[in-house]
Amino acid sequence: DAMVIQNPRYQVTQFGKPVTLSCSQTLNHNVMYWYQQKSSQAPKLLFHYYDKDFNNEADTPDNFQSRRPNTSFCFLDIRSPGLGDAAMYLCATSRGYVTSNQPQHFGDGTRLSIL
Amino acid sequence: AQTVTQSQPEMSVQEAETVTLSCTYDTSENNYYLFWYKQPPSRQMILVIRQEAYKQQNATENRFSVNFQKAAKSFSLKISDSQLGDTAMYFCAFTAPNAGNMLTFGGGTRLMVKP
Repeated sequence: DAMVIQNPRYQVTQFGKPVTLSCSQTLNHNVMYWYQQKSSQAPKLLFHYYDKDFNNEADTPDNFQSRRPNTSFCFLDIRSPGLGDAAMYLCATSRGYVTSNQPQHFGDGTRLSIL
Repeated sequence: AQTVTQSQPEMSVQEAETVTLSCTYDTSENNYYLFWYKQPPSRQMILVIRQEAYKQQNATENRFSVNFQKAAKSFSLKISDSQLGDTAMYFCAFTAPNAGNMLTFGGGTRLMVKP
């Protein structure tokens, strides 16, 4: 029944060891987003894809990369995780850009811990 | 740039009572959309209610309703007959087609419903 699926729910990695988080969707939506959410804070947009067009937020660190090999899947790669990257990572989708009739749909998130 | 402010970091309400969460925003746009999202502990962020700026009528979804005051740039959420399952972080969010199309979130309000 889940429409935006994030795997894994919990991820532990070592300081500096690359890690990939995955998101898939069954909604056939054009836009996929990655957010970083730290404890009790609002989600912070890292980047989004509109179809194959990649859009990076100006303040997203170079350490964060993304891939979208097809409509259904989108990956977040953290090349050299630091302690400050420990957070919940949320994937979201929308049919087109957000309107009241095209809201964002979120996945359950992946909680990333850095040892 | 758009900003969204939620002035109540935490609130509590007794079960079956009514609670209002406040949200103000700042924009120079005339066409925009407002949302309230709910994020239960360790669970998915879900859309609660949405409002188009051009509609004067306040949106209502079952026990959830908004008080949209466009001139005051205020968009409060009223939860009637509060239930234990309403315990969550609530985020107010804004987007405008002519202002980047991305969601701008407020800082969130943590709501605790007490039995």
